[in-house]
Amino acid sequence: NAGVMQNPRHLVRRRGQEARLRCSPMKGHSHVYWYRQLPEEGLKFMVYLQKENIIDESGMPKERFSAEFPKEGPSILRIQQVVRGDSAAYFCASSRDSFAYGYTFGSGTRLTVV
Amino acid sequence: KQEVTQIPAALSVPEGENLVLNCSFTDSAIYNLQWFRQDPGKGLTSLLLIQSSQREQTSGRLNASLDKSSGRSTLYIAASQPGDSATYLCAVRGNQGGKLIFGQGTELSVKP
Repeated sequence: NAGVMQNPRHLVRRRGQEARLRCSPMKGHSHVYWYRQLPEEGLKFMVYLQKENIIDESGMPKERFSAEFPKEGPSILRIQQVVRGDSAAYFCASSRDSFAYGYTFGSGTRLTVV
Repeated sequence: KQEVTQIPAALSVPEGENLVLNCSFTDSAIYNLQWFRQDPGKGLTSLLLIQSSQREQTSGRLNASLDKSSGRSTLYIAASQPGDSATYLCAVRGNQGGKLIFGQGTELSVKP
């Protein structure tokens, strides 16, 4: 089992470009969560998805950010028109159906906006 | 709104010491609590998961306790080693399930 796979590991974008971050959950996991870690700050929840559904997006900025988890393929976190303040580590986690199981995190994507 | 606090923010100890990291949460209506370790520039590694009905969990030199009614958890590390140096994060999952709420972490340094 390869664990939670995130790619790319590092991503550099110029201001105004789009960033696409991908996350493949562990085999058997149907719940995906995205978190952001700003420099010198803690992990902040962004969005919780199941296949083809957004369950909780209470942590997502209202503009420029979107997420999806299609029936086939990885979950995608998309940031349009990136700004310097978007520079951060973005982590994806997955879990099984039951909330009794814990999260497994990926290694993260480190986004740098120049 | 659930808030998670970890004390101390940073801790430096000599190798071999036993140590305790503290985590407190404001809403006791939790489903479970999970301790993680994060090495610099890396992802999170799950250490221990405690369900709300449990009092403690153990894995090797690690022992985590949970007192749900008082909103506290502790992570005990026995016989610390330099390889234990990392940031330790506590996170709680509410009764509605879904997202984990994280504390700010405790940065541990174990000196040889």
